Parts: sequence; structure tokens; C-alpha cells
Amino acid sequence: GAGVSQTPSNKVTEKGKYVELRCDPISGHTALYWYRQSLGQGPEFLIYFQGTGAADDSGLPNDRFFAVRPEGSVSTLKIQRTERGDSAVYLCASSSGTGTHEQFFGPGTRLTVL
Amino acid sequence: SQQGEEDPQALSIQEGENATMNCSYKTSINNLQWYRQNSGRGLVHLILIRSNEREKHSGRLRVTLDTSKKSSSLLITASRAADTASYFCATDALMDSSYKLIFGSGTRLLVRP
Repeated sequence: GAGVSQTPSNKVTEKGKYVELRCDPISGHTALYWYRQSLGQGPEFLIYFQGTGAADDSGLPNDRFFAVRPEGSVSTLKIQRTERGDSAVYLCASSSGTGTHEQFFGPGTRLTVL
Repeated sequence: SQQGEEDPQALSIQEGENATMNCSYKTSINNLQWYRQNSGRGLVHLILIRSNEREKHSGRLRVTLDTSKKSSSLLITASRAADTASYFCATDALMDSSYKLIFGSGTRLLVRP
């Protein structure tokens, strides 16, 4: 595909459950970012990958959150023991390399924890 | 926590009028970008201005940057109903090798037909 894709588009889960959110970046983009956006706010940084490695995970709120990018392309954000406060839109973005580049955003996954 | 603040939080104008949104940030930056978001989902990149630039144009968009005041403005001229959206400024901090974006809280623009 031409753009960043994210699946699922919506996810409803119960408190305490485990969820996985997937991001498929633009082909060839080495940099991948995850952000989280709460209602009425701007996106907040979670984690950054350059290739396969998490180069900056300073935005992850706690150890229930984890992300992987094993082959340097698709990334999965994993949330354990979900809490109601985790409800938000999770956005993925990719860019073409190091340095400042335009980040291309996916449509997001809306996570609702009941 | 978010670095940027934008004002106004909400703006309602008539089609054809100009819309001006302002953004302030706290730390030294490499660059500042403006994004647009419809319906709370994916963001669309509008324009990037580098820290050594003062003004940039793209179509009906004009962005200014004042690094001494740590502020930027986005002007949309001759607005259209289709410009209705939320607009965010985003900065990447100087010396941050991840180039992660720090977003403002956004301005919700309503253009009335």
C-alpha cells in the first residue's frame, strides 16, 4: 500500500485483557513511531524504532506497554492488563530515515477498555 | 506532558475569511511542523519550517517562526468549509536524536459555509 496502515481500526476490550495493535509502515521507511492521543489532546510520543531496535522508549507510560519490530518493518504495540485509562487512539507514523523528516501517520487504532 | 500550547483552542470563521492559529513551545528545536487532523484520526502533514527559517508558504498556507519567542503561527487564507479540522503544531527538540514529535494541544477550526 501507499500509506501507513494500522489494524484493527477499532478495538474494544475488557479491563485486564491483553491487546496487540499492528502498524505496517511505508515500504522502505526505517523510522517508526508510536503515539497515543487522548480525546481533545494532541498525540503523545510512546516509542521510536530505527530499524529493528527501539531507539527511544521514553514515552511508554509503564511496563504494561511493550512494542516490537522484529524485521524492521511491521511493528506491534502490546498492552498487558489493560486499564480504562489506556483508552485512546494509538497512532503509528513512519519516516524515511534519521534526521528530521516528515512523519507519515496511519489512521490509528481506537482502543476502548471497558 | 506536551510541550506546545496552541491558541485559540477553537476558532469559528466564515468561509472566505482568513484563519490564524498560534503555537508556543518550550525548548530549542530543530524544526517545527504543522499537521491537520480530521475526525480525531490520522494526521496529515501540512508544512515543515526549519529553525533557521522565518517564513514559509505552501498554497493557501503561510507559516511563520520566531525562535526568540519560541512561537509559530499558521495562516490559512481564503478559508473553505473543507478546511474544518483540528490543526496541531509539532516540534522536534534540538539534540534529540530520535526526532520524535512533541505536539501542541491543537486548534479546532470550524469554517462555516
